[in-house]
Amino acid sequence: SAVISQKPSRDICQRGTSLTIQCQVDSQVTMMFWYRQQPGQSLTLIATANQGSEATYESGFVIDKFPISRPNLTFSTLTVSNMSPEDSSIYLCSVEDAGRRVNYGYTFGSGTRLTVV
Amino acid sequence: DAKTTQPPSMDCAEGRAANLPCNHSTISGNEYVYWYRQIHSQGPQYIIHGLKNNETNEMASLIITEDRKSSTLILPHATLRDTAVYYCIVRLTKHFYNNDMRFGAGTRLTVKP
Repeated sequence: SAVISQKPSRDICQRGTSLTIQCQVDSQVTMMFWYRQQPGQSLTLIATANQGSEATYESGFVIDKFPISRPNLTFSTLTVSNMSPEDSSIYLCSVEDAGRRVNYGYTFGSGTRLTVV
Repeated sequence: DAKTTQPPSMDCAEGRAANLPCNHSTISGNEYVYWYRQIHSQGPQYIIHGLKNNETNEMASLIITEDRKSSTLILPHATLRDTAVYYCIVRLTKHFYNNDMRFGAGTRLTVKP
């Protein structure tokens, strides 16, 4: 299965600042997905990132707050802009892992634990 | 979009089978059932998926009812390391290229010695 490296693994940031999270995959993938997991909650999809096109955002998430880059088939970044304490969450990237079978499943990075103070 | 319903929590004795149920009564014919788990402080881990037939792999078995309105994930011999939140997901297939995975609340399984 694909191996995802996500950086940083954790960070503590001041409110009003921005943090860029990197997601590197060891194989080429068509789509990458960014999720947020608020404390004690399930995962919520933020956006889907295709290489060479604008990311598609879910309801409640906007590009100005969470700009995403997808410069090539193995890399993506998510920026959390103008942070407030409510942005304290775990942010995870994910890719579809085709493996040997269609619809094999998704592989997730280990996440970035963000605390905004 | 098909929704899933899972019990919020379950306990299981170590070494016994853990049977985790999931209801997905509005599932459509081309939607798969996926199971993932999330061990504390880690990213979710794929377990198994299926469409109609029962499936088994090295981690678990997936039993899907004939009407596909519910399924059960079976961990045949639960260990303490299986303590995690287990998510049952029905995959959206409005467009064949739209492969996003949406998570519900999941079931928190606690395996006890």
